[in-house]
Amino acid sequence: RKEVEQDPGPFNVPEGATVAFNCTYSNSASQSFFWYRQDCRKEPKLLMSVYSSGNEDGRFTAQLNRASQYISLLIRDSKLSDSATYLCVVTAREGGGSYIPTFGRGTSLIVHP
Amino acid sequence: DTAVSQTPKYLVTQMGNDKSIKCEQNLGHDTMYWYKQDSKKFLKIMFSYNNKELIINETVPNRFSPKSPDKAHLNLHINSLELGDSAVYFCASSQESYWTYTEAFFGQGTRLTVV
Repeated sequence: RKEVEQDPGPFNVPEGATVAFNCTYSNSASQSFFWYRQDCRKEPKLLMSVYSSGNEDGRFTAQLNRASQYISLLIRDSKLSDSATYLCVVTAREGGGSYIPTFGRGTSLIVHP
Repeated sequence: DTAVSQTPKYLVTQMGNDKSIKCEQNLGHDTMYWYKQDSKKFLKIMFSYNNKELIINETVPNRFSPKSPDKAHLNLHINSLELGDSAVYFCASSQESYWTYTEAFFGQGTRLTVV
């Protein structure tokens, strides 16, 4: 199984800081990319899809670098409520069959006052 | 109304027992999934169904058997439970089978503890 790698952290930052996470993937045929957020003892929820041209949603910016096979997530002006685990998800069709979504292990973010 | 609902939320059982987890989605999605999240928080896909048809069957013990009576339901039955089966099991659904540019919605999870 192709891998999706993330730095588990934790990233410990003060409120208002800017923090960036990277996620690398090994399958060059990967098609779709997402960032999910998972709070402690909760289910993962979509934060944002990652498009080739990059995309921004408020304080969050996602980038895709196909040549180097990584995606990134930038969080500006961190809030206490941003504390969570951020999961990178990559989908690829394997063996000509269905697309299979593969999760990274997640990066833990702790925002402190 | 909850979009993807799983029952039970907690399940504590003894080794060797057989148990089922139920999942229902009211989003009208075609595809449903079962994921396992272990103690290290690694989320791994187990099965995927599209319109009641199995399309992804990862390498899991055959003690695990999914059943989809209709496209809104995907249940997971586990036979002869083992200690290593303890984990959080998440059901999810999405609109397309290939999960391309499509958001997947997760249930709240079932925390299974085998003692």
